[in-house]
Amino acid sequence: NAGVTQTPKFRVLKTGQSMTLLCAQDMNHEYMYWYRQDPGMGLRLIHYSVGEGTTAKGEVPDGYNVSRLKKQNFLLGLESAAPSQTSVYFCASSSNLGPRPNQPQHFGDGTRLSIL
Amino acid sequence: AQKITQTQPGMFVQEKEAVTLDCTYDTSDQSYGLFWYKQPSSGEMIFLIYQGSYDEQNATEGRYSLNFQKARKSANLVISASQLGDSAMYFCAMRESSYSGAGSYQLTFGKGTKLSVIP
Repeated sequence: NAGVTQTPKFRVLKTGQSMTLLCAQDMNHEYMYWYRQDPGMGLRLIHYSVGEGTTAKGEVPDGYNVSRLKKQNFLLGLESAAPSQTSVYFCASSSNLGPRPNQPQHFGDGTRLSIL
Repeated sequence: AQKITQTQPGMFVQEKEAVTLDCTYDTSDQSYGLFWYKQPSSGEMIFLIYQGSYDEQNATEGRYSLNFQKARKSANLVISASQLGDSAMYFCAMRESSYSGAGSYQLTFGKGTKLSVIP
């Protein structure tokens, strides 16, 4: 079972370059998320999507854009990379929340991004 | 104020012993969920256990159990019979139910506890 797949796993960019991180899930989940993880900070939500064609901002959205054209894919874009965006990026997905918030988020293996 | 507080940056435990990782949380919601994730050195995030605010019994999953004290707003993870493979970062996270903004969708994570199991 693939679960949540992130590509690429590693990338080095120069300041000002752009790139797109791809997340794909095969669990038919409605909700998808992008987080960043920095040392000593835990994970912080960048953007999320509650369904195909919809996206919303999370806690730290500045400098990022996202798109969800297909239910199974969630793209994270950096239009003009900055050194402050050096981080490990995680994509996650979860099924419908329902009345109780009991659905765990399933995470990809992460993308390690370095901006020089 | 932090919503999730993990006060132990690092912990050591002898192999085969039990260990408790602390987590306190802050929310005004009546319905919320608490999750623990494990992150080994390889980097992936592994879901371990879930506790709902309305659950009457403490959650258990194999060697993992959750000591849930609602009045104290604590949700400590207990790992019994520690194994070398338990060495990892452990994150406590909360999802709140308030249907406004990202509150109902995002997980709020603590900063984690690094557990080292000593042979």
